[in-house]
Amino acid sequence: AQSVAQPEDQVNVAEGNPLTVKCTYSVSGNPYLFWYVQYPNRGLQFLLKYITGDNLVKGSYGFEAEFNKSQTSFHLKKPSALVSDSALYFCAVRDSSGGSYIPTFGRGTSLIVHP
Amino acid sequence: DTGVSQDPRHKITKRGQNVTFRCDPISEHNRLYWYRQTLGQGPEFLTYFQNEAQLEKSRLLSDRFSAERPKGSFSTLEIQRTEQGDSAMYLCASSFRETSGIKGDTQYFGPGTRLTVL
Repeated sequence: AQSVAQPEDQVNVAEGNPLTVKCTYSVSGNPYLFWYVQYPNRGLQFLLKYITGDNLVKGSYGFEAEFNKSQTSFHLKKPSALVSDSALYFCAVRDSSGGSYIPTFGRGTSLIVHP
Repeated sequence: DTGVSQDPRHKITKRGQNVTFRCDPISEHNRLYWYRQTLGQGPEFLTYFQNEAQLEKSRLLSDRFSAERPKGSFSTLEIQRTEQGDSAMYLCASSFRETSGIKGDTQYFGPGTRLTVL
């Protein structure tokens, strides 16, 4: 079985400050990990993914995420937040060893960036 | 724009009526997925196709739900005898099955169809 947890319903940060949105996962095999962003009344937009290789993954809009196998985490980070980053962020995991190609999504974290 | 498109964007219906949604994936993508999203939740998987074959269905997909992808291109999701509990955002996503090299195909989502059942 695969699962993902986003422990924070909401993250507040001031514009210009670094931001972190947390994600932890559980899989039987090796994970494929994804981050998506969702703006109001819109579908999910892909930000970045970890498949293999470097633990630090760089994605769209200046976001990056660090894969930590020992802590089973894949936290999303950005060095300097923008007001326009305010949105709902979803982490997703898929077990690379499973027969299903379906990822499991977290419940989402609302990021609010204050001017 | 060659992204995933969905139609309609909004649908309001009365309980007991049937509704049908359409999804047009990115043209070169061979996999198509349907999800349901309710307020405060992440997307929940309903079903997926590889080309025209429906390969996996969630237990969330009751007998009232049916999906098709007749020619391996667009897909339709039909809900019969709608119930108030069906009110949700229905999301479609597509991906390209990578036969070699980097795996973990990335899903690209459409804007969704918001269903309200009165």
